[in-house]
Amino acid sequence: DAGITQSPRYKITETGRQVTLMCHQTWSHSYMFWYRQDLGHGLRLIYYSAAADITDKGEVPDGYVVSRSKTENFPLTLESATRSQTSVYFCASSRARDNYNEQFFGPGTRLTVL
Amino acid sequence: GENVEQHPSTLSVQEGDSAVIKCTYSDSASNYFPWYKQELGKGPQLIIDIRSNVGEKKDQRIAVTLNKTAKHFSLHITETQPEDSAVYFCAAYKDTGRRALTFGSGTRLQVQP
Repeated sequence: DAGITQSPRYKITETGRQVTLMCHQTWSHSYMFWYRQDLGHGLRLIYYSAAADITDKGEVPDGYVVSRSKTENFPLTLESATRSQTSVYFCASSRARDNYNEQFFGPGTRLTVL
Repeated sequence: GENVEQHPSTLSVQEGDSAVIKCTYSDSASNYFPWYKQELGKGPQLIIDIRSNVGEKKDQRIAVTLNKTAKHFSLHITETQPEDSAVYFCAAYKDTGRRALTFGSGTRLQVQP
């Protein structure tokens, strides 16, 4: 049971480049989320998806694009990376029928933008 | 939107002592309050949660209390062990279509052996 995986685990890129972070879950969870984690801010929601082809903005969506063509995948793209997007990115998933909304997190991707 | 404040940002205790982490939330419509533990290099993992119709919940050495009137909730860890050392996040959830959590800023707990 692989659960939820993220790739790459570490990425260094330069300002202005496009970067895509991958997220894959094997549970067929309906909901998927992208958070960024920065010191002093906890985890902040970037985008979420309620199902395939349904996505919506979270708290800090500027500079990010998401897609969800398949239930199991939820890639996050930085179209033109900026230094302020240096962060640790976490993907999470949740069952639609779960009233308590437990979210299961991936191991994270540490992104550095030079 | 919801705002969750968490204190303290760092906490150091001796092994065997108790640790308490406190959070306040702003939206009285929030009805679910989970606590996540994040170990170094890993994603957060749920350790305990509480719904708004319950005042306290225990699971072995950990417990969570909720005061809806004051809009605050706390995590209590008793008989701390070195493996409890981690970053702990509180969160609040309101039942909307988004199903997203609003997290506190985290508490780094260090248990000294």
